[in-house]
Amino acid sequence: SQELEQSPQSLIVQEGKNLTINCTSSKTLYGLYWYKQKYGEGLIFLMMLQKGGEEKSHEKITAKLDEKKQQSSLHITASQPSHAGIYLCGAARSSNTGKLIFGQGTTLQVKP
Amino acid sequence: GAVVSQHPSRVICKSGTSVKIECRSLDFQATTMFWYRQFPKKSLMLMATSNEGSKATYEQGVEKDKFLINHASLTLSTLTVTSAHPEDSSFYICSARPTPGGRYEQYFGPGTRLTVT
Repeated sequence: SQELEQSPQSLIVQEGKNLTINCTSSKTLYGLYWYKQKYGEGLIFLMMLQKGGEEKSHEKITAKLDEKKQQSSLHITASQPSHAGIYLCGAARSSNTGKLIFGQGTTLQVKP
Repeated sequence: GAVVSQHPSRVICKSGTSVKIECRSLDFQATTMFWYRQFPKKSLMLMATSNEGSKATYEQGVEKDKFLINHASLTLSTLTVTSAHPEDSSFYICSARPTPGGRYEQYFGPGTRLTVT
């Protein structure tokens, strides 16, 4: 089983709708990252969360790390076709190695 | 912002040949870089940690003699896929941690698509 579970695995929404992607770990998360990827391309950094309860926003995307640091959510408000892609959460395995494990990704389609 | 480049972006090679992929940090130094592999519609899998001036450390199940890593300078790590086979076809992505830098700070390259025929 995956160390990091993302849900849902895929999502189709109508333009303008809100959506949430979750990333859950059975262990404490260190340095939780959210990335966006177009298929066959590199990773676009969205946000990084460290502290339990932390919340960050960039444009219409908000990410939260829960208090117990075992789950993070990514929320997109008023989705647009430009939000389409694969969203990946990644987590540091410890506080000082820099090695990341990744969730399996969530594929988002936004219908105009 | 910090930029990591990879070269080539795409490469096609024949079975049995070797291919080298470069990962460069363009505007910062990186003592540590990481190499990941991504299969189609799959997540990224960490292959190895590349350390400047020392041997790379490989994740379990990754053949070190097949995937040779060299980190000769603070801005360059190379991954050489030796005696490539079609099953080595994949998307390879590197990341680099700035030195000095934040504990969780790292930047990803754009990836290299390897196709072995």
